[in-house]
Amino acid sequence: VQLVESGGGLEQPGGSLRLSCAASGFTFGSYAMSWVRQAPGKGLEWVSTISDGGGYLYHADSVKGRFTISRDDSRNTLYLQMNSLRAEDTAVYFCARGLRGSYYNFDSWGQGTLVTVSS
Amino acid sequence: QSALTQPRSVSGSPGQSVTISCTGTSSDVGGYNYVSWYQQHAGEAPKLMIYDVTKRPSGVPDRFSGSKSGNTASLTISGLQAEDEADYYCCSYAGRSPLMFGGGTRLTV
Repeated sequence: VQLVESGGGLEQPGGSLRLSCAASGFTFGSYAMSWVRQAPGKGLEWVSTISDGGGYLYHADSVKGRFTISRDDSRNTLYLQMNSLRAEDTAVYFCARGLRGSYYNFDSWGQGTLVTVSS
Repeated sequence: QSALTQPRSVSGSPGQSVTISCTGTSSDVGGYNYVSWYQQHAGEAPKLMIYDVTKRPSGVPDRFSGSKSGNTASLTISGLQAEDEADYYCCSYAGRSPLMFGGGTRLTV
């Protein structure tokens, strides 16, 4: 199982970024996927989850209306569209796979991509 | 909603046992048997150690165990080893929220 995030970088407040997570080594379409972030020196914060098949989307209140999770099973890729970025969105963003049959137990993680929101 | 409450740090000697607590409310920890624990070494991604309160993923040593009483979940590590030194995070399903992490506990061995 391998998860590789990309798309992070420096963005100004109010700007947009799209994160990607390329998956390999498993049947991507059969698993729920999530994004979890970690601000520098801080703890983990769940951001978003998408069900296997993409029919159900869940977002934390802190990002609701600004971030959108999506997936392309034909490309084995998970996305996070991040709009109206704020300084408090600065964090390492991890993509994570849910245990088979579970949305919220994350058994595989990528190494993360750093998003910095600053002017 | 506030994060689940964990002690900031715990410590133990090699071979000893330590327990890390995770306190929530009846809306999260106390309301569901969906508590998980993650280990994170510095500069690395988290690793799932316990899920559904007591279950261990394959490959996790049986020195790691989980339990819950009321609104408080616990992770116990027995036979402490140097490589157990890491940050530990609890996580609970919280219904409408729907997922909350604890603030993290630094374990020093």
